[in-house]
Amino acid sequence: GENVEQHPSTLSVQEGDSAVIKCTYSDSASNYFPWYKQELGKGPQLIIDIRSNVGEKKDQRIAVTLNKTAKHFSLHITETQPEDSAVYFCAASIGDDKIIFGKGTRLHILP
Amino acid sequence: DVKVTQSSRYLVKRTGEKVFLECVQDMDHENMFWYRQDPGLGLRLIYFSYDVKMKEKGDIPEGYSVSREKKERFSLILESASTNQTSMYLCASSLDTPDEQYFGPGTRLTVT
Repeated sequence: GENVEQHPSTLSVQEGDSAVIKCTYSDSASNYFPWYKQELGKGPQLIIDIRSNVGEKKDQRIAVTLNKTAKHFSLHITETQPEDSAVYFCAASIGDDKIIFGKGTRLHILP
Repeated sequence: DVKVTQSSRYLVKRTGEKVFLECVQDMDHENMFWYRQDPGLGLRLIYFSYDVKMKEKGDIPEGYSVSREKKERFSLILESASTNQTSMYLCASSLDTPDEQYFGPGTRLTVT
């Protein structure tokens, strides 16, 4: 079946450094790629998304890049802060109505 | 702000019991989803609904059913709870598909 692979599963970065999380997807028809952040005790919350008609999108310290040919997309967080510590999920659309999630990356920001 | 609420944060049930998990959204969204979240497995789709009384199976529907009698409410039913259904259950809604999904806080269900 269709799937989304996410790496790494755990990432520790020094405060102020950058963090990069990478995902690959299998369905060449996928056209929507959201990223969610889940803090302890809460449901996931969308932080940024990208559609297949663009290759890059940026929102302040967060950016997402998409390579449709290689079927991979990445989340970049610059100037990391303690509040960036959380679990991050990538996802890709399957058909017109579903998305499939990666297994998640636990990001630790070290003081 | 969109608000998705789930009936319980924590629930403990016995094997064989019938379990109802309720989800309500207040933004008139057409689409609603039920996921389960397990360590190392991410979020997996159980069922979703794109309209009242409509439902579609997700990736892991076995052992579950759903009900959507009103647009704002989507219920997940475990007909006969089993220990392998111990998990975190997350409900979500969206205005369109594929589009941003708004998640509730989750229900942590333990089946003993």
